[in-house]
Amino acid sequence: NAGVTQTPKFQVLKTGQSMTLQCAQDMNHEYMSWYRQDPGMGLRLIHYSVGAGITDQGEVPNGYNVSRSTTEDFPLRLLSAAPSQTSVYFCASSYLLGSTYEQYFGPGTRLTVT
Amino acid sequence: KNQVEQSPQSLIILEGKNCTLQCNYTVSPFSNLRWYKQDTGRGPVSLTIMTFSENTKSNGRYTATLDADTKQSSLHITASQLSDSASYICVVSGQAGTALIFGKGTTLSVSS
Repeated sequence: NAGVTQTPKFQVLKTGQSMTLQCAQDMNHEYMSWYRQDPGMGLRLIHYSVGAGITDQGEVPNGYNVSRSTTEDFPLRLLSAAPSQTSVYFCASSYLLGSTYEQYFGPGTRLTVT
Repeated sequence: KNQVEQSPQSLIILEGKNCTLQCNYTVSPFSNLRWYKQDTGRGPVSLTIMTFSENTKSNGRYTATLDADTKQSSLHITASQLSDSASYICVVSGQAGTALIFGKGTTLSVSS
């Protein structure tokens, strides 16, 4: 198993550009999510999905879109990049183990918006 | 407001020494508490998950404790190694089981 993979590892965008951060998992997990991690702050949830065709907003969804057409893939789209979106982005997939969700994170994408 | 506070913010210890990291939370209702290890430039990796009925859980040299009454948890690292240098993140889940509240983490540096 490759686990959770993310591409690209690094990206520099100019303000106003759009791009898609890719996330894939090969563990057949139903639950996937996107987080951003900023210095001095805990990880914050952007969007999540409980299964193919189902997505919902997290704590900080503005400026981001997601879709979940397959169980394996959960791309994150930045519609019009802003400097405030400079961050490290982590994708995670989860499965229910008893009464808790066991969560696996990808390696992250470091995004800089100039 | 649901919050997770970790202390200290950073810590430097010598290789072979023990250390304890603290986590206080105000999340209610409470479902479970996790400790993650995050190496520089990598994603977080789960160390332990404890439900409200569990007081302690170990994973090798890592031992987590939970006091659900006082809403406190600790992560004890025994006989530290250079590879323990990382950020340790406390995460609390509310009743729904999917709403995770992340602490800001404690940065641990182990020196030789």
